[in-house]
Amino acid sequence: QKEVEQDPGPLSVPEGAIVSLNCTYSNSAFQYFMWYRQYSRKGPELLMYTYSSGNKEDGRFTAQVDKSSKYISLFIRDSQPSDSATYLCAYGGTSYGKLTFGQGTILTVHP
Amino acid sequence: DVKVTQSSRYLVKRTGEKVFLECVQDMDHENMFWYRQDPGLGLRLIYFSYDVKMKEKGDIPEGYSVSREKKERFSLILESASTNQTSMYLCASSYRQFEAFFGQGTRLTVV
Repeated sequence: QKEVEQDPGPLSVPEGAIVSLNCTYSNSAFQYFMWYRQYSRKGPELLMYTYSSGNKEDGRFTAQVDKSSKYISLFIRDSQPSDSATYLCAYGGTSYGKLTFGQGTILTVHP
Repeated sequence: DVKVTQSSRYLVKRTGEKVFLECVQDMDHENMFWYRQDPGLGLRLIYFSYDVKMKEKGDIPEGYSVSREKKERFSLILESASTNQTSMYLCASSYRQFEAFFGQGTRLTVV
């Protein structure tokens, strides 16, 4: 079993839709949960992070962690074509900064 | 802005060749990483380094080695390239437990 399982997608939605991206994880030791966004032909960039359980909101994006069910979610409201990218969930928390990533979900938002 | 620079965007090498992938970061980060990214498998950690001359194996180190002689530079070496090492290789650096800064990636094809 992979440490982080991510809904494989791909996902195609119309502009303005609400998008839900989800991951489950197996190792309870880590405290940081992250979403990275990767545009085509670019490296991933940190989009949001959450420490332990709870919600975090940043504009149209909400990250949610439920440690009891080991579930990580990212919600995108009013999705835009510029949100089209690969989204990667990850977790970590060691002093070396080692991260474990999910498989990634390709999201396409069409006008 | 943090910059992580990988020496090549695209490489084509022959089976059995020794291949060097170079990565340089300009933010004095302690930690550096090499990942490979394959469709459906996400990012998988090959090796990481938390200090000069220090290295640790990641999840898939077989067939690879690394070198970190200077803090800003982390090299990935394929001792004898094989076709199953055809992949996107991503270098990253970090100073915090949750944020890694990635280079633009090197797409390596082994023929």
